[in-house]
Amino acid sequence: NAGVMQNPRHLVRRRGQEARLRCSPMKGHSHVYWYRQLPEEGLKFMVYLQKENIIDESGMPKERFSAEFPKEGPSILRIQQVVRGDSAAYFCASSPVSNQPQHFGDGTRLSIL
Amino acid sequence: KQEVTQIPAALSVPEGENLVLNCSFTDSAIYNLQWFRQDPGKGLTSLLLIQSSQREQTSGRLNASLDKSSGRSTLYIAASQPGDSATYLCAVKSYNTDKLIFGTGTRLQVFP
Repeated sequence: NAGVMQNPRHLVRRRGQEARLRCSPMKGHSHVYWYRQLPEEGLKFMVYLQKENIIDESGMPKERFSAEFPKEGPSILRIQQVVRGDSAAYFCASSPVSNQPQHFGDGTRLSIL
Repeated sequence: KQEVTQIPAALSVPEGENLVLNCSFTDSAIYNLQWFRQDPGKGLTSLLLIQSSQREQTSGRLNASLDKSSGRSTLYIAASQPGDSATYLCAVKSYNTDKLIFGTGTRLQVFP
C-alpha cells in the first residue's frame, strides 16, 4: 500500500521558467493538501483540493501559482515564471475524507538558479 | 488567527535523557493537535494525534499531552536514543478548516 508519492524529488529551474510538481495521493484518498517549507521556516499551508475542485486556496500566492487535481491522474502544483524566493520544499499530503489525519509525501525540493 | 510556537528551537542532549518539547497555540478552539517527526531531506512522519477531547496520547517512549485551556502541548521522550535525532513539529487543526497550522519545530540531536 504505497504512501503519498511526490515527483520529482528534486527540481532545478532557472528564473523565469515553469515548475510542475506532482503528487499522487494514497490509494483511496480523494483529498490533497499542498504545503511549502521555506528555508529555516515551518510548513505553511497553500491549497486544499478534492477531485476536480479547489476547496481552500487561502495560502497560495495569487500570482504565478496554480493547483489542480483532475479526475484522473495526480495533483499538480504549477509555478510559472519562477523567482529565487520560490526555492523551498513543497510537501503534499492526502486524506480519505476531511477531518481525517493527513499523510505526507517526502516532498519536492525546488531550487531556483 | 491561529499561531503555533515551539520551544526550544534546538536541543542537544546525551542519550538516555528524558526530554520535553513544548508547543503553544494562540486559539484554544482546536479540533486536534498532531506531533510529527521530520528527518533531513524527508517528509513528515506522524507520531501522535490528540483529539480536542483528549488529554494525552502515548506510543512507546513517546507521550504527548494537551491542555487546551492554556494553549499548550508537550511531547515527552523517555530514554532518548541517537535515532531520535530529528526535527519535531507540532501542528494544530481548528474547526471549520482542513489545513494544519505548523510550528517552526524543535531540532533535536541526541549524541552517544
